[in-house]
Amino acid sequence: DSGVTQTPKHLITATGQRVTLRCSPRSGDLSVYWYQQSLDQGLQFLIQYYNGEERAKGNILERFSAQQFPDLHSELNLSSLELGDSALYFCASQRAVEETQYFGPGTRLLVL
Amino acid sequence: AQSVTQLGSHVSVSEGALVLLRCNYSSSVPPYLFWYVQYPNQGLQLLLKYTTGATLVKGINGFEAEFKKSETSFHLTKPSAHMSDAAEYFCAVSVITGANSKLTFGKGITLSVRP
Repeated sequence: DSGVTQTPKHLITATGQRVTLRCSPRSGDLSVYWYQQSLDQGLQFLIQYYNGEERAKGNILERFSAQQFPDLHSELNLSSLELGDSALYFCASQRAVEETQYFGPGTRLLVL
Repeated sequence: AQSVTQLGSHVSVSEGALVLLRCNYSSSVPPYLFWYVQYPNQGLQLLLKYTTGATLVKGINGFEAEFKKSETSFHLTKPSAHMSDAAEYFCAVSVITGANSKLTFGKGITLSVRP
């Protein structure tokens, strides 16, 4: 158990819909990273938040957004969903920039 | 920008045999290097990491990796495979830029262990 929690574990929805994925970091970790794992693209960095502020963006679509709240949990919002958005979405938390990222169990999203 | 190459998508070994999973990286600055393991339907678990110092890094479950700067490699080894080692293995590189150290992953290698 990494100490990072993600909800829900599974999500099935339809094209065009909007979903919210939630991540709670390990106690004391200020940084949250979001990654997408898909069969064709592999594991890709989406976005990073540090203490409530966006710090870095990767291959994140404009239809996707994220935020980190004062209690440090983070949410990833996916809208206008397409079939190709079906993937595993991981968050990872980190205490300091030079330290290890610890991954949550992931949310498996299926868009039908 | 940094990148990771993991040649081959699948490696099969017999139980008790040597495990060797290859990883080559590209980075314009000294990188941090990682191996993560993913068991079916689970998240990523850190096996080991190299930051600075000793180039031979020991990790969990008997795995180790050696950082070779001249070869830009960070291959993962285990002397004797166990059935429980069957999983997907990801090599990753990160470079610290400001307050960000995002991981760039290779495509992953699936390890099968034959009885």
